[in-house]
Amino acid sequence: AAGVIQSPRHLIKEKRETATLKCYPIPRHDTVYWYQQGPGQDPQFLISFYEKMQSDKGSIPDRFSAQQFSDYHSELNMSSLELGDSALYFCASSLSGGLSETQYFGPGTRLLVL
Amino acid sequence: KQEVTQIPAALSVPEGENLVLNCSFTDSAIYNLQWFRQDPGKGLTSLLLIQSSQREQTSGRLNASLDKSSGRSTLYIAASQPGDSATYLCAVRSPSASWGKLQFGAGTQVVVTP
Repeated sequence: AAGVIQSPRHLIKEKRETATLKCYPIPRHDTVYWYQQGPGQDPQFLISFYEKMQSDKGSIPDRFSAQQFSDYHSELNMSSLELGDSALYFCASSLSGGLSETQYFGPGTRLLVL
Repeated sequence: KQEVTQIPAALSVPEGENLVLNCSFTDSAIYNLQWFRQDPGKGLTSLLLIQSSQREQTSGRLNASLDKSSGRSTLYIAASQPGDSATYLCAVRSPSASWGKLQFGAGTQVVVTP
């Protein structure tokens, strides 16, 4: 079965650089969620989109922005990177965004900021 | 404010023993609770989703129970195998949090010794 695809899988950036993370949801899933997992921490919700509109916002820094495109893939743009942004970034998708729906997670993008 | 706790933080059992993993949450008004498995440096694999109206869910050797009134869920893994070694996280979706957000516990790191 098709799963959530994230690219790139690994990314190394310098401080103050920008990064773009991409997420391709499971086919027919119209809802995408982004989470950040720091070293030794549990995942923290950043932002979500339903039908290409932002549906919810968590603890996402102002330096970060995201959007969902017409084909339902999503991109997380991160600017002025800081050392503390080094983390595993997960994308998850669900069908219809309903409260009863399972969120399926991708393999994550590991970002290292030097 | 919803808080999710998993105790113990780590657990080691010999192969063949049953595993019992605990998850507690402070606000019983949840939509659902999801159990995940995470291998080191890897993504989150969804194991089971229990809706608020359900008391348990089963999949193969896995059984998860939910007691909303006491704010607890338990994941049972029968006849553990070395391949079950991983970190297990529970996450809840609740009205006290923002709409799309899964709130995670810190996880229980499990080691199954041959």
